[in-house]
Amino acid sequence: AQSVTQPDIHITVSEGASLELRCNYSYGATPYLFWYVQSPGQGLQLLLKYFSGDTLVQGIKGFEAEFKRSQSSFNLRKPSVHWSDAAEYFCAVGARGQNFVFGPGTRLSVLP
Amino acid sequence: DADVTQTPRNRITKTGKRIMLECSQTKGHDRMYWYRQDPGLGLQLIYYSFDVKDINKGEISDGYSVSRQAQAKFSLSLESAIPNQTALYFCATSSGLAGYNEQFFGPGTRLTVL
Repeated sequence: AQSVTQPDIHITVSEGASLELRCNYSYGATPYLFWYVQSPGQGLQLLLKYFSGDTLVQGIKGFEAEFKRSQSSFNLRKPSVHWSDAAEYFCAVGARGQNFVFGPGTRLSVLP
Repeated sequence: DADVTQTPRNRITKTGKRIMLECSQTKGHDRMYWYRQDPGLGLQLIYYSFDVKDINKGEISDGYSVSRQAQAKFSLSLESAIPNQTALYFCATSSGLAGYNEQFFGPGTRLTVL
């Protein structure tokens, strides 16, 4: 069965610092991978997605993620965090004909 | 205007009451989903529908039912609400025409069962 883990429940970084949020998945076939962000009181917004091709994908708001098949990982990165990035981040895995499986989420706090 | 809307946005109810949460979409998608979000658990799939005549149970369907009234409308019902159904509920849509299933989410309904 598909599964997604996000090892960090809560991360705190200073504004301007770099960020990496970890995501590991377990899936038998080639997965489709997604990162969503949930700002307080809001729904989920898609940051970026990977289906095939270049393993480094660019998303909105300056985020990027790298798919590493050998490590079953799809980590999210941002070179310089802004205070408005404080939110909860969810990694999800899907596949053709399959439903999404979401990770438990990582809450990001940003210090001024 | 939002592509996926949910009503109500907030609801407080009592144990044993019947509750309906509604979802509408203007994206023209054929697939719709209901999720429940609890802190530390991510999103869990309650029910999903790939078209008007197709309804499927998700991971946690017990205590819930759904109705797909039209392609654009998908309602979630709690027949007899209980306190552990207190959660944030999200509706989502996707297109079956695409080879992948990127999902688009509504703003959520916060439900409190006393």
